[in-house]
Amino acid sequence: DIQMTQSPSTLSASVGDRVTITCRASQSISPWLAWYQQKPGKAPKLLIYKASSLESGVPSRFSGSGSGTEFTLSISSLQPDDFATYYCQQYKSSPLTFGGGTKVDIK
Amino acid sequence: QVQLVQSGAEVKKPGASVKVSCKSSGYTFTGYYMHWVRQAPGQGLEWMGWINPKSGGTNYAQKFQGRVTMTRDTSISTAYMDLTSLTPDDTSVYFCARDGGGTSESKYWGQGTLVTVSS
Repeated sequence: DIQMTQSPSTLSASVGDRVTITCRASQSISPWLAWYQQKPGKAPKLLIYKASSLESGVPSRFSGSGSGTEFTLSISSLQPDDFATYYCQQYKSSPLTFGGGTKVDIK
Repeated sequence: QVQLVQSGAEVKKPGASVKVSCKSSGYTFTGYYMHWVRQAPGQGLEWMGWINPKSGGTNYAQKFQGRVTMTRDTSISTAYMDLTSLTPDDTSVYFCARDGGGTSESKYWGQGTLVTVSS
């Protein structure tokens, strides 16, 4: 199985900050990586697919980059609606696997 | 618009089975794979498997092999996830999620179904 390691597990930030979350895979998965945002009591929401493609309707302050085994999700200017938990997921091979999540909270 | 509407919360005894449904609308049901993902309270996301609604073919995570069955009824655009031999560790919110079409990112999600396993 491909292991996905996210860091940090928790991130404290302020509105307007640039935020970066990292996801590392145990083997190469390019470009089959997605990023999701999840708020308490809600289903995850797809933000980025194929490592860097922005899902329709997602604000342009979100961006994804990376290749091989290392990927990042960046939020250029954190907004109040962005405080949530973020997950990466590889879908290169079965079983599909998620990172452990990064909770972004208010500093 | 694409909608996935799941069945309601369930409370089960250890050893029992649960069947969760996921009714689709707003797209061609047989054109996209359906994934099932679960999330234990306060924990992360865990992929369980997928079903190809067109063929009925399935792919289950090894962890759930022998305990999970994913089926579909194309006449009512509904996918099902059946999990047997429940233990308290199966207490989770179970989500269905439709893929992107040709690729396996989960583009649309159901609202989730809480399954509680308790004696």
